[in-house]
Amino acid sequence: KQEVTQIPAALSVPEGENLVLNCSFTDSAIYNLQWFRQDPGKGLTSLLLIQSSQREQTSGRLNASLDKSSGRSTLYIAASQPGDSATYLCAVPYGGSQGNLIFGKGTKLSVKP
Amino acid sequence: GAVVSQHPSWVICKSGTSVKIECRSLDFQATTMFWYRQFPKQSLMLMATSNEGSKATYEQGVEKDKFLINHASLTLSTLTVTSAHPEDSSFYICRATPGANYGYTFGSGTRLTVV
Repeated sequence: KQEVTQIPAALSVPEGENLVLNCSFTDSAIYNLQWFRQDPGKGLTSLLLIQSSQREQTSGRLNASLDKSSGRSTLYIAASQPGDSATYLCAVPYGGSQGNLIFGKGTKLSVKP
Repeated sequence: GAVVSQHPSWVICKSGTSVKIECRSLDFQATTMFWYRQFPKQSLMLMATSNEGSKATYEQGVEKDKFLINHASLTLSTLTVTSAHPEDSSFYICRATPGANYGYTFGSGTRLTVV
């Protein structure tokens, strides 16, 4: 059974810091891994999708890496801004690439001005 | 592309009433849509998989007679919470995708509060 864990559960940093969010999964046979952002009371915004054959994806100040063999992914946020404050979720599909998405509980990030 | 619209974004209803939530794929056809529920400070948990033209597949522990799912077209799935109770208060969100390489697109979610 696939389980996804995210640490830390919460993180508070001053503006401008670089930070790393961690995601681990128990079954390394994944098709892909996706990072999402969720603002309070809102839906999910897709940040980065990494296919199983890829090692990393970059979008602006965000960089996500994937190490399937160790069951880990990291989301690196450079030069954090108060607008980055949100909950960040990682998810992997289970039971096929179009199957259920298993989510971690998320990391709640607070960037203080 | 790959936009999923969910409506309403929030709803308050009285105990015992029913509430319908709509999920539409705006610029693609989705033979499969997924419905998730998220309780405060918890992960999103899959409730059911909605298949166009056939019955939905429910996850263990989800009452199919309480959470009615209809996927009558390739662009619309609806979730109806019947005889709602306060414990049904939660954040409901749908997901759809045009295909395996397009990632996963979610609706904006519906905050249901049952009073």
